[in-house]
Amino acid sequence: DAGITQSPRHKVTETGTPVTLRCHQTENHRYMYWYRQDPGHGLRLIHYSYGVKDTDKGEVSDGYSVSRSKTEDFLLTLESATSSQTSVYFCAISDIQGTNEKLFFGSGTQLSVL
Amino acid sequence: QQQVKQSPQSLIVQKGGIPIINCAYENTAFDYFPWYQQFPGKGPALLIAIRPDVSEKKEGRFTISFNKSAKQFSLHIMDSQPGDSATYFCAASKSFNNDMRFGAGTRLTVKP
Repeated sequence: DAGITQSPRHKVTETGTPVTLRCHQTENHRYMYWYRQDPGHGLRLIHYSYGVKDTDKGEVSDGYSVSRSKTEDFLLTLESATSSQTSVYFCAISDIQGTNEKLFFGSGTQLSVL
Repeated sequence: QQQVKQSPQSLIVQKGGIPIINCAYENTAFDYFPWYQQFPGKGPALLIAIRPDVSEKKEGRFTISFNKSAKQFSLHIMDSQPGDSATYFCAASKSFNNDMRFGAGTRLTVKP
């Protein structure tokens, strides 16, 4: 998957606990994205990053925060997980400056919040 | 509200058939329309994309038809094969904007 590693691949957690998902890329791409995938909704953008320490909100950012301290790593944190955040989370990277064209996706993290 | 509406939700065709998946968008500022293919347990992968300056684009057995006035675009898969069984997502975005909007997805099954 285009040099993108997501970890963990699966996680089960309890409501109210903090959760951090990691995305690691080896492509040195500037743009990185976090999406969530839910039945009936397709993929929805949570947050994205356009450089180290440069991030911005997407369509469904409430309840999520991100950090990017290195070009290759983009972290997604659920400060206090809720059942509505049960989803499959995908990291993506882009190789075209200034756009989100040609997104390359990781294999996803299945998160269950009980 | 969903800015890109995709239909049908699921589709079953016989091998050799031509499945057609349709998408409609609302935002006239969108100028990039990709299709992504996703196999179970994998992330989506870019299949083909079109810009509104052309009405059709072909890549192998995959064709996008685009109707700017109707704000609709569709994916046709010629001579479909069981290996094409996957979920297909249409999407739309504005150039130099990082918020791509996806349709809800179509689960395609091609029977042998």
